[in-house]
This record gives sequence, C-alpha cells and structure tokens, in this order.
Amino acid sequence: NAGVTQTPKFRVLKTGQSMTLLCAQDMNHEYMYWYRQDPGMGLRLIHYSVGEGTTAKGEVPDGYNVSRLKKQNFLLGLESAAPSQTSVYFCASGAGRQVQFFGPGTRLTVL
Amino acid sequence: DQQVKQNSPSLSVQEGRISILNCDYTNSMFDYFLWYKKYPAEGPTFLISISSIKDKNEDGRFTVFLNKSAKHLSLHIVPSQPGDSAVYFCAASAVSGSARQLTFGSGTQLTVLP
Repeated sequence: NAGVTQTPKFRVLKTGQSMTLLCAQDMNHEYMYWYRQDPGMGLRLIHYSVGEGTTAKGEVPDGYNVSRLKKQNFLLGLESAAPSQTSVYFCASGAGRQVQFFGPGTRLTVL
Repeated sequence: DQQVKQNSPSLSVQEGRISILNCDYTNSMFDYFLWYKKYPAEGPTFLISISSIKDKNEDGRFTVFLNKSAKHLSLHIVPSQPGDSAVYFCAASAVSGSARQLTFGSGTQLTVLP
C-alpha cells in the first residue's frame, strides 16, 4: 500500500499561472482533504470531500478549486496563482472518523 | 482567533528524560484530540489520540492527558529518544459542515539531545 501520494513534490510558478495538484489514496477512504501549512502556523483546511463527486469549503478556500471525479483522487487547482499561495500543501484521507492519513506534501513557490 | 494553541514553539530535552508537550483549546465542541508527529519533508503521521470522555490514553512511551475543565491536553514521552526529534502538532476534532474536521495547533519542535 502506497497510502496517500501527492504529485508533484515541488513546483515554482509565476504570478498568474495556473496548476493542478494531484492527490491519490489506495485505502478506499471516502473522505479526502486539502490543507496548507505556512511557517509558524498549523495546517489549515482548504477544501474537503465526503465522497466521489462531492466537495465542500474549508477554512481558507479562496483562490482554490477542487474536484473529486474518482474516489481515489482529489485534485486541487489554482487558477491564477498569487505569492500569498506560496506554501506547503498536504493532502489527507480518512474513513470519516477522527484519524486522517497524510501525504508527503507539495512545496509550492509563487514568484 | 486560534482555537487550538501550542504556546511553546520549541522544546529541548536530554535523552532518557521526559518530554512534555502542551496544547490548549477554546472550542467546547471539540470531542476528540490527536497528536501528529512530523519529520522534515514528510507529511504528518498520527501518533496517539484521546476521546473527550477519557482523561488519559497510553501507548508505549507515549501518554496523552486531557483536562476538560481547563481545556488543556498534554503529550508525555518517556523515555525520550533522539529519534523523537520532530515537530509535534496537536489537533482537535469536531463535526463541522458535512464531515469531521481537524483544527491544528501551530506545532512544537522537539529536540532530544543525545
């Protein structure tokens, strides 16, 4: 089992460019989450999904969109990147109970 | 307004001694608490948790204590080992919207000195 994987591991964007981060899980979890982590702060929830075809906003959703077309995949999109979106992005999955399992993260820099 | 606070950004402990990491919360709706451990360039990994109906949970060298009246929890590591050096995040769980959501503290960097 690979658990939760994220693609890519690193990315540098220019302001205004777009990109998609891919998260995949092989644990058959219904719930998937996208977080961002900034220096001196904990992880903050961007968007989440409670099942295939569903998405919902978290604490900091502005500037991001998500899609869950397949149960095992959860995509995070930035339509027009801004320097304030420079961060480390973590994907997580869970069975809807308390524990979430995290991927290794994507380090994004927006110039 | 931070609902989960870890007021110590860093902690250094000698190998073999006890490490105590603290966490405070403000939201009474939180009913489950977790500790995650994070190494550099890796994702957080689940360490130990506690339900709000308990005041202690133990797993090997790790024990979590919950004081509901004070809205405070702590993680004890005994004995501390150099491999325990990592960032530790406290997280609190509550149902919000259509799912259980985790709210994280800002983390404490633990350094265990050989």
